[in-house]
Amino acid sequence: SAVISQKPSRDICQRGTSLTIQCQVDSQVTMMFWYRQQPGQSLTLIATANQGSEATYESGFVIDKFPISRPNLTFSTLTVSNMSPEDSSIYLCSVRTGGEGEQYFGPGTRLTVT
Amino acid sequence: QKEVEQDPGPLSVPEGAIVSLNCTYSNSAFQYFMWYRQYSRKGPELLMYTYSSGNKEDGRFTAQVDKSSKYISLFIRDSQPSDSATYLCAMSGSGAGSYQLTFGKGTKLSVIP
Repeated sequence: SAVISQKPSRDICQRGTSLTIQCQVDSQVTMMFWYRQQPGQSLTLIATANQGSEATYESGFVIDKFPISRPNLTFSTLTVSNMSPEDSSIYLCSVRTGGEGEQYFGPGTRLTVT
Repeated sequence: QKEVEQDPGPLSVPEGAIVSLNCTYSNSAFQYFMWYRQYSRKGPELLMYTYSSGNKEDGRFTAQVDKSSKYISLFIRDSQPSDSATYLCAMSGSGAGSYQLTFGKGTKLSVIP
């Protein structure tokens, strides 16, 4: 397994501002992901954070809105840019370790945009 | 039709009951099937994962996959109040590039003492 921490755990932000969420893993991992969990909805993959190269974004998510950094194998950041109330959600960092079925999640960052 | 369907509940059972949680799916390419438990205001916790069809048991938890019916289940025996949480099913394909998990919406379970 993996121990994953996220900062901040929660925040309340004003419309039009940006927030950067940090994800730290206790071991080196190749695959790191960012998910969004909106109320009443399924968890949705935003992007795969690739170490040393640009992130790979899923349909409906763009780099200008959700820039991602991955400077090494234990750390990544997700920025939510130019926020609107529709961005209010829980943002989760996730890593894959071991076998293909082993994917673990951080505690999440609860974001409220007013 | 959504790729993964999961009854959101809520499901309320007395302590000691056997709980059955289920998901159906439409994508025959799914090969890995996971169950996560999520307590309120916490991240999802991986309970178990299964590859292809069959059963897997871990303590009070049993996961079943029936690929012919595109149906997966999680059974909880001797349920405890500490099992009260939202249970998420998730699934993915296999091989390079098959890293994206497709989730159900989750079933909220309450175990009443």
